[in-house]
Amino acid sequence: AQSVSQHNHHVILSEAASLELGCNYSYGGTVNLFWYVQYPGQHLQLLLKYFSGDPLVKGIKGFEAEFIKSKFSFNLRKPSVQWSDTAEYFCAVTRPNYGQNFVFGPGTRLSVLP
Amino acid sequence: DAGITQSPRHKVTETGTPVTLRCHQTENHRYMYWYRQDPGHGLRLIHYSYGVKDTDKGEVSDGYSVSRSKTEDFLLTLESATSSQTSVYFCAISESTADTDTQYFGPGTRLTVL
Repeated sequence: AQSVSQHNHHVILSEAASLELGCNYSYGGTVNLFWYVQYPGQHLQLLLKYFSGDPLVKGIKGFEAEFIKSKFSFNLRKPSVQWSDTAEYFCAVTRPNYGQNFVFGPGTRLSVLP
Repeated sequence: DAGITQSPRHKVTETGTPVTLRCHQTENHRYMYWYRQDPGHGLRLIHYSYGVKDTDKGEVSDGYSVSRSKTEDFLLTLESATSSQTSVYFCAISESTADTDTQYFGPGTRLTVL
């Protein structure tokens, strides 16, 4: 079955700590990969996306993600988190040769302590 | 925000009643989606549309129907609401570029079925 997994259900960090959230998918072939963020009470917003080229992708708010094809992974990173990064983070995958439908991971809740 | 609005934003209803949620977009996107968001499940696709009167089922379509009579409106109907349909419902559109398709989300509708 098609799936996207996110390793951590809930991550708690102090401000200025480094962040890495894991995302793995189970499809072969060409994939497009996304990270979305959902701040409390809000809708999902796009953080960054990968579709081709440089596997290290930079997004908004200092986030970046690295696509490692051999590991079927697309981990999200930030060198120094802020309290305002407290949110839920979702990884998503599409297969461009198989339509436009997205498959989302279950999400990782990040709590940043001031 | 890709010009997406949802109505109502909050609704409380009783088991067995019909409920219709509306998604409205202003930018003439062809693809529209309805998801439900539940803790631990991320976003799950209910139905999607690839044009006026063209719809298809997603992962969790049982108990839901959709209609799209105009490009800008995508309606989700719960024919007879059940408590298991208590959730937050998000509408999304897919924006296509030369590189990839990206989904953008509406603000969500919080539905409680008593």
